[in-house]
Amino acid sequence: NAGVMQNPRHLVRRRGQEARLRCSPMKGHSHVYWYRQLPEEGLKFMVYLQKENIIDESGMPKERFSAEFPKEGPSILRIQQVVRGDSAAYFCASSPVAGPQETQYFGPGTRLLVL
Amino acid sequence: AQSVTQLGSHVSVSEGALVLLRCNYSSSVPPYLFWYVQYPNQGLQLLLKYTTGATLVKGINGFEAEFKKSETSFHLTKPSAHMSDAAEYFCAVSAPDTGFQKLVFGTGTRLLVSP
Repeated sequence: NAGVMQNPRHLVRRRGQEARLRCSPMKGHSHVYWYRQLPEEGLKFMVYLQKENIIDESGMPKERFSAEFPKEGPSILRIQQVVRGDSAAYFCASSPVAGPQETQYFGPGTRLLVL
Repeated sequence: AQSVTQLGSHVSVSEGALVLLRCNYSSSVPPYLFWYVQYPNQGLQLLLKYTTGATLVKGINGFEAEFKKSETSFHLTKPSAHMSDAAEYFCAVSAPDTGFQKLVFGTGTRLLVSP
């Protein structure tokens, strides 16, 4: 059973470009979470999605960031007009059901570098 | 709102020595508590979690943690360190009164193991 897959693993963008980060949850998992890890900091929650629905996006910056989890295909985290402060590791996690005690399974992350 | 404090960004031990990684939390309700490990360039892997019941929780790779409500702590221990334990360790908390698991992470502790 393949784990959570994220691609690309490394992404370099120039200021003003768009970044698209993909996350394929584990088989049978319909709940996806995105976290951001800034240098020397812990992971911070960004958004929680179920298939075709955004459930909680309280951790998403108000502008330039969006997320989706379509009926078919991976979840996408999209960052428009990237700035240097967006440089970070972005982790996706998935779980088979929702619930505060459920285990989240993390992918290897996408490391975004904005030049 | 929940928060997590991990004392010591770096902890160094010798192989075979006791490992103690500290975690204190702040929560308005009794939380669910988690320890994750991150190896270089990999995603986070769950070591152990406390939800309810026995306050001493055993996890993978010989790690265990004890939930102490009176001290608001959830310290991670291992009796004898192995070289393969060198990694970054994150403590996280989730409130049980939300419909899903919104993990709040500490800033992490890097464990260094010397021969």
